[in-house]
Amino acid sequence: GESVGLHLPTLSVQEGDNSIINCAYSNSASDYFIWYKQESGKGPQFIIDIRSNMDKRQGQRVTVLLNKTVKHLSLQIAATQPGDSAVYFCAEKNAGGTSYGKLTFGQGTILTVHP
Amino acid sequence: DTAVSQTPKYLVTQMGNDKSIKCEQNLGHDTMYWYKQDSKKFLKIMFSYNNKELIINETVPNRFSPKSPDKAHLNLHINSLELGDSAVYFCASSQASGAYEQYFGPGTRLTVT
Repeated sequence: GESVGLHLPTLSVQEGDNSIINCAYSNSASDYFIWYKQESGKGPQFIIDIRSNMDKRQGQRVTVLLNKTVKHLSLQIAATQPGDSAVYFCAEKNAGGTSYGKLTFGQGTILTVHP
Repeated sequence: DTAVSQTPKYLVTQMGNDKSIKCEQNLGHDTMYWYKQDSKKFLKIMFSYNNKELIINETVPNRFSPKSPDKAHLNLHINSLELGDSAVYFCASSQASGAYEQYFGPGTRLTVT
């Protein structure tokens, strides 16, 4: 079936660098995308979302880019800090069929920030 | 001040036993969810309730039975536990079924021996 996937399972960066986490999705019917951060021993925490009628959205130190042509989603973290170390998930919602808030999650990327 | 809480945080039990995990949210949300996260961190939805009504029921063995006594609570009962049930189970809630920002609980790590 269609699913959300990530290109890089692990990413290591130095403190202060910018980080880019990528996600490929295959369901062209998806109309909403969301990034979650999961720290060790905790539940996923919302970071930022974007609807399919947008191609960029910015938050505090984070930017999500959506390229519907190639079905690609990315999360950019500016000036990465050690506290950003976590597993990052992208998730998608399918516009078709039942839309009761069902999210399909990608596998996750482990981000490690070295001081 | 916890938004979504789960109990217990850890659960170790033997195969064949029956166990329950409880979830409560104090956000006033209408919709609650159960997710299973396996050892590879893959997160998959199991169930969703909106105002105590089941609205999402993924392909989950019928040994798993969710129960929502009110919209602030969604419990998960598991019968005849199997080794493959070992995982972290997350409860989540959202303001409404059409609101996609979901707030997750801290998780319950279930280990079946």
